[in-house]
Amino acid sequence: VQLQESGPGLVKPSGTLSLTCDVSGGATTINSWWSWVRQSPGKGLEWIGEIHGSGRTTYNPSLSSRVTISVDNSRNQFSLEVTSVTAADTAVYYCTRNGQVSLEYWGQGILVTVSS
Amino acid sequence: EIVLTQSPGTLSLSPGERATLSCRSSQTVSSNYLAWYQQKPGQAPRLLIFGAFNRAVGIPDRFSGSVSGADFTLTISRLEPEDFAVYYCQQYGNPPLYTFGQGTKLEIK
Repeated sequence: VQLQESGPGLVKPSGTLSLTCDVSGGATTINSWWSWVRQSPGKGLEWIGEIHGSGRTTYNPSLSSRVTISVDNSRNQFSLEVTSVTAADTAVYYCTRNGQVSLEYWGQGILVTVSS
Repeated sequence: EIVLTQSPGTLSLSPGERATLSCRSSQTVSSNYLAWYQQKPGQAPRLLIFGAFNRAVGIPDRFSGSVSGADFTLTISRLEPEDFAVYYCQQYGNPPLYTFGQGTKLEIK
């Protein structure tokens, strides 16, 4: 299973962060749960939320008012949107495939900086 | 919100030695829903252990997990040079769904 994040590396404050994760290597989005995780020096590893190929989602309550995760099974990819970003949203963002009570496969990560 | 506290913050050991890393939960972790990850600089975390005891695919048997009450332990029986990294524990189930510890840095003495 291979995961690859893509999207802008720089987002302006109050703007929207949008990332996509392409899934390859034989896995299909429709059959699994997929998550977004971010890592910043100040807060360590933080789980953002997850989505199943059916479209069902679960979010971290601390971010749920600003986060949307969606899936496009026809393209075998899933996406993350974070609205009203601030400097505190600066982090490396990872997409993952969920395993048994864990996060089994990870993308390489993408650094997103929030700055004007 | 559940809090996972890892200790020590930094562990200095030599290759060939045994490493014992601890992760303590502020609340009961359901059904041993705990995982361990290894992260090297510039890389994504890599899953080592899930369900407290089970090694992920391709993980050498020198890595093992155990639990005693609210205390989870990752043991590396004989350190190899490639084992020096940061290790994180993660719980599943208590909101938020996944929560991580702050990490233990394993460095070469």
